[in-house]
Amino acid sequence: DVKVTQSSRYLVKRTGEKVFLECVQDMDHENMFWYRQDPGLGLRLIYFSYDVKMKEKGDIPEGYSVSREKKERFSLILESASTNQTSMYLCASSSSFSGRGEDEQFFGPGTRLTVL
Amino acid sequence: SQQGEEDPQALSIQEGENATMNCSYKTSINNLQWYRQNSGRGLVHLILIRSNEREKHSGRLRVTLDTSKKSSSLLITASRAADTASYFCATSGTASKLTFGTGTRLQVTL
Repeated sequence: DVKVTQSSRYLVKRTGEKVFLECVQDMDHENMFWYRQDPGLGLRLIYFSYDVKMKEKGDIPEGYSVSREKKERFSLILESASTNQTSMYLCASSSSFSGRGEDEQFFGPGTRLTVL
Repeated sequence: SQQGEEDPQALSIQEGENATMNCSYKTSINNLQWYRQNSGRGLVHLILIRSNEREKHSGRLRVTLDTSKKSSSLLITASRAADTASYFCATSGTASKLTFGTGTRLQVTL
């Protein structure tokens, strides 16, 4: 069974802390994505990666960075957490098999981050 | 920028009834996908429809796409309590990046 796992389901951090959210997929997918989900706003893309050591900004990259040192792992980093980064964070992966953007994304269970 | 907008934002029906959700988008697309999200969980892919297709079926799901109106609809027939979830449309160009809508919350009551 294919799987995307995220390091924590719930996380509570303090303002100014450095926060690491980890995502691992076991499907050998090239593409990995980080989204945040807020009520009424749907899913918004933060960063994505098409290959190891490659990253591209999504729609809301400010305040975030990412790291992809291995194909199966994609990390989201909050350099200095702020209260407006309290949200549900979802990781996803997909293959590039079709080459036509037709690949479904597989999602992890999400990390609910609270910044106090 | 947000590509898709779902309508309605919330829908409450009784078990056995049909549920219809609509999605509108702004720019040309290569395909449109629908996803489901149970409360507090990740999203699960339901169905994909390509820009050159008008209708697609999968079990109790029926998806239509009207590229001239830049809109899609998802019909769930004979709804069950287990269909209670949020439903999202997502659009794609030629790359693997998806742009998600704001979602429709469906509540199916017994």
